[in-house]
Amino acid sequence: AQKVTQAQTEISVVEKEDVTLDCVYETRDTTYYLFWYKQPPSGELVFLIRRNSFDEQNEISGRYSWNFQKSTSSFNFTITASQVVDSAVYFCALRIILTGGGNKLTFGTGTQLKVEL
Amino acid sequence: DAGVIQSPRHEVTEMGQEVTLRCKPISGHDYLFWYRQTMMRGLELLIYFNNNVPIDDSGMPEDRFSAKMPNASFSTLKIQPSEPRDSAVYFCASSLLSGANVLTFGAGSRLTVL
Repeated sequence: AQKVTQAQTEISVVEKEDVTLDCVYETRDTTYYLFWYKQPPSGELVFLIRRNSFDEQNEISGRYSWNFQKSTSSFNFTITASQVVDSAVYFCALRIILTGGGNKLTFGTGTQLKVEL
Repeated sequence: DAGVIQSPRHEVTEMGQEVTLRCKPISGHDYLFWYRQTMMRGLELLIYFNNNVPIDDSGMPEDRFSAKMPNASFSTLKIQPSEPRDSAVYFCASSLLSGANVLTFGAGSRLTVL
């Protein structure tokens, strides 16, 4: 069975601070995909990034960066110089391919990030 | 592309009433998913379809819940009879066949059962 753990329920930072959101996953599959989604106060789920299990290269997109380490089954997300607009719930998710071609996206419980002035 | 379209955005109903939530996936997407989000249980997968066929409905809470996908451009999630514990945000999402592809979510339907 697959599982995603986001141990940080809520994080509060002051604007311009760096913040890292942790994600630890469990799966027996060798092929899988990891995702981060953002849910701002308006409620929609916004896709941020996707990584496959064969690509451990870290990725940077503007103020966002992701650190994928298979050795520790972690896929952490760092926001540099946080801004108030980054305040949201962030979800890490795992997608595996099931026998027969089906697939499922399993979400962590989310981390509420509050960025204050 | 208009994205995944869900309706209604908000629904308030009384216990015992039938509720129907609707979803129009992105054109060309092979997979359609229904998720439920609550404070207690987070985001739960209820059911998903591939090419209009239900593949896994193990997340459907009980017989009061049913989902259909009569064609590639429309799906419904029905609750009959509704109960207060069904109050949640229900998300529909769609994606292409490949597992690498991203789920695109609708804006959600917020259901309140009084």
